[in-house]
Amino acid sequence: SQTIHQWPATLVQPVGSPLSLECTVEGTSNPNLYWYRQAAGRGLQLLFYSVGIGQISSEVPQNLSASRPQDRQFILSSKKLLLSDSGFYLCAWSVLGRGNYGYTFGSGTRLTVV
Amino acid sequence: GESVGLHLPTLSVQEGDNSIINCAYSNSASDYFIWYKQESGKGPQFIIDIRSNMDKRQGQRVTVLLNKTVKHLSLQIAATQPGDSAVYFCAETWYSSASKIIFGSGTRLSIRP
Repeated sequence: SQTIHQWPATLVQPVGSPLSLECTVEGTSNPNLYWYRQAAGRGLQLLFYSVGIGQISSEVPQNLSASRPQDRQFILSSKKLLLSDSGFYLCAWSVLGRGNYGYTFGSGTRLTVV
Repeated sequence: GESVGLHLPTLSVQEGDNSIINCAYSNSASDYFIWYKQESGKGPQFIIDIRSNMDKRQGQRVTVLLNKTVKHLSLQIAATQPGDSAVYFCAETWYSSASKIIFGSGTRLSIRP
């Protein structure tokens, strides 16, 4: 069965520090991968998506970047965190051609920048 | 469309009553719609979906209605239970290689005992 892993579950980082959040998928190949951010009490904002290794599309210009070094690995990074980067970060995957375009989400990482 | 900057509206329902959660979508080219349920501290979970060539689809205790004329989507939950307390998001997408899903504004459903 397909599973998606995100870590860490929670993270507290000082302003100006770097960030690396990792997401991995098991049980599928060539998935589309996505990073979303959710501010407290708000909706989900699409940050990045990837349709293949090394292919990254950015939806919102910001202080973050994404990379996909392997087929089932998606990484969200920042060189210097800002207070506004705080939020709940969610990774998701989808596979076309299954008759269901819906995503499967990971359990999320709650990031607090202090 | 995305309403990531808005505070979530709240719907309060008596336990056992039916809940109706409404959503307006933005893209007339969207051909697939999904409802997600998000419990506190967790990622969204798929509830039910509907394609644009349908106007109604039923699941277990849930029904989704689609009105393409006014770009409106609704989720009906029958006999609401305490476990239904969560934030509910509608989402829209269209077939493409990217398969991006755009989330609408969520609604917080709270259940009164």
